Amino acid sequence: EVQLVESGGGLVQPGGSLRLSCAASGFTFSDHYMDWVRQAPGTGLEWVGRARNKANLYTTEYAASVKGRFTISRDDSKNSLYLQMNSLKTEDTAVYYCATSLNSHGSGFDNWGQGTQVTVSS
Amino acid sequence: QSALTQPASVSGSPGQSITISCTGTSSDVGGYNFASWYQQHPGKAPKLILYDVSNRPSGVSDRFSGSKSGNTASLIISGLQAEDEADYYCSSFTSSSTLRYVFGTGTKVTVL
Repeated sequence: EVQLVESGGGLVQPGGSLRLSCAASGFTFSDHYMDWVRQAPGTGLEWVGRARNKANLYTTEYAASVKGRFTISRDDSKNSLYLQMNSLKTEDTAVYYCATSLNSHGSGFDNWGQGTQVTVSS
Repeated sequence: QSALTQPASVSGSPGQSITISCTGTSSDVGGYNFASWYQQHPGKAPKLILYDVSNRPSGVSDRFSGSKSGNTASLIISGLQAEDEADYYCSSFTSSSTLRYVFGTGTKVTVL
């Protein structure tokens, strides 16, 4: 059974930093592209960014709203995905989900974690 | 890049069929056959119910089906059941320079 478990969320002041982790199990993590998606309170979903697999040189890409502030990384030896968030803004307040990409073509996200809450407030 | 447009709410009686539309542009929904749909119950993570416009992942009920015409994708739920009451989001791969995936605004489905 595929499991994705996020951790690391919490309350942080504007301008602060936070690192989220996503522990994966039940599938061959190293083969998959992995994504972060967030959901602000009472609103819809927003794609945050992606980490490709080793075959694609672990390249990353980001939404314009977080580019330059957020960094996605992965450790295949630990079956883990990370999201380093710097220069946090109040508008970054959201539940953050990690998700597996169905394939490399763009078909969507077939497995999701339960999410971790990030609150940016003074 | 704006969110894909969905109706805020759709309702139906048990056993009926409902359709949720998802309108984008030629840079996303219209340009690729990569529209996907997600079901989200309150307090839960989204669940993939359709991908590549009309394909169902293993284990998803065949009461869920999808189609696309031009820049609009559609989710059809037939034989509506109480458990279908949830929020539904569409998504699409996009050629935008600011995003790789764009999501819809979300639709609240109410079973009367």
